Amino acid sequence: DTEVTQTPKHLVMGMTNKKSLKCEQHMGHRAMYWYKQKAKKPPELMFVYSYEKLSINESVPSRFSPECPNSSLLNLHLHALQPEDSALYLCASSQEEEGEETQYFGPGTRLLVL
Amino acid sequence: DAKTTQPNSMESNEEEPVHLPCNHSTISGTDYIHWYRQLPSQGPEYVIHGLTSNVNNRMASLAIAEDRKSSTLILHRATLRDAAVYYCILRDRLDSNYQLIWGAGTKLIIKP
Repeated sequence: DTEVTQTPKHLVMGMTNKKSLKCEQHMGHRAMYWYKQKAKKPPELMFVYSYEKLSINESVPSRFSPECPNSSLLNLHLHALQPEDSALYLCASSQEEEGEETQYFGPGTRLLVL
Repeated sequence: DAKTTQPNSMESNEEEPVHLPCNHSTISGTDYIHWYRQLPSQGPEYVIHGLTSNVNNRMASLAIAEDRKSSTLILHRATLRDAAVYYCILRDRLDSNYQLIWGAGTKLIIKP
């Protein structure tokens, strides 16, 4: 199983709502990632978890709050978002293949903030 | 961080080879070269990676210049399913957080 799953596929929320994005992988990968992708741009790294500990926060606003409950799950809690936060949110996990780390991406959650 | 430069878009005919170029003139000795692709409405997908030598796998080949300042992703026989945005990426192998430095991507259009 080389699949990363993300729920929901689509999300519409108001600026006062609280919602969560979920990501799951059962490949035993030790690292998991959240990315944000705007239209026609490459993904931008937001957070990296390594062995369930937050190892990178790329100066992401506090209205985005990541959580890693266990080695298979990664959540992104959203609160008081702005319309400019509308984007595709991608989760990934990684493992070493042929001496180098390879990332596996989920299909993403398309978020619209009204 | 070293950066990559790619053409915005390229067109190719179905069942012909495709050569996607990437420039990375400021690459460091510890940077791996990765290629990922993103099909429409999907997350990115790993294609191939290399350090110094040319590499082949079931999806593609990667040709790396001797000075490592450029590389070329080769799809040997493109199909309509290969239409995607192809990203050339550098990754410092000394970075324990495995961050990817993404290029802007090349949109590959396959004509039937």
